Amino acid sequence: EAQVTQNPRYLITVTGKKLTVTCSQNMNHEYMSWYRQDPGLGLRQIYYSMNVEVTDKGDVPEGYKVSRKEKRNFPLILESPSPNQTSLYFCASSFRAQLSDEQFFGPGTRLTVL
Amino acid sequence: QQPVQSPQAVILREGEDAVINCSSSKALYSVHWYRQKHGEAPVFLMILLKGGEQKGHEKISASFNEKKQQSSLYLTASQLSYSGTYFCGSRLKGSGGGADGLTFGKGTHLIIQP
Repeated sequence: EAQVTQNPRYLITVTGKKLTVTCSQNMNHEYMSWYRQDPGLGLRQIYYSMNVEVTDKGDVPEGYKVSRKEKRNFPLILESPSPNQTSLYFCASSFRAQLSDEQFFGPGTRLTVL
Repeated sequence: QQPVQSPQAVILREGEDAVINCSSSKALYSVHWYRQKHGEAPVFLMILLKGGEQKGHEKISASFNEKKQQSSLYLTASQLSYSGTYFCGSRLKGSGGGADGLTFGKGTHLIIQP
């Protein structure tokens, strides 16, 4: 089944403890992206990747890192999480980064930073 | 830089029509529409491109006014299953080779009552 998977789905952690949220897609998509969703703010893009080893900042990149070493994986790294990073995170992918390419979203990861 | 959606929320009775608007202060190259049900990931509805090309669900219609930098999503004869939050996303840059990040609006909450 074609899908985007994220792990973990739920995570409670403490301030400053490094964490990684994994994202994987099995559709051979070139474009991958991370979003955070907060009440009243909609979906905001954190980072995106046009292809392997090509990443760029979205609208809210502060406090996050990403890497794209393999085409299928695009992990989101929080080196020193803070409470303001408590949010619902979505990973998404599309075939390429063309204007006409729809995005497929993962199920989401709900992160709470205490 | 987020596109602006209106209305923020709308309540309808089953069978009524709704229009959701999306506008940008910057030139749009494409507009994406997604629907998100509570607790789930956003799901693709439609993409509209400059020049009139569209891609998406047959039962959903939308328009894209390039000069006014606006798009509208039309939901006719609404069904209970249409309930959810609707997001428009805009790509502000683009060329024949691709585009960069997708910026979403804050969403429109649609409630359909029986």
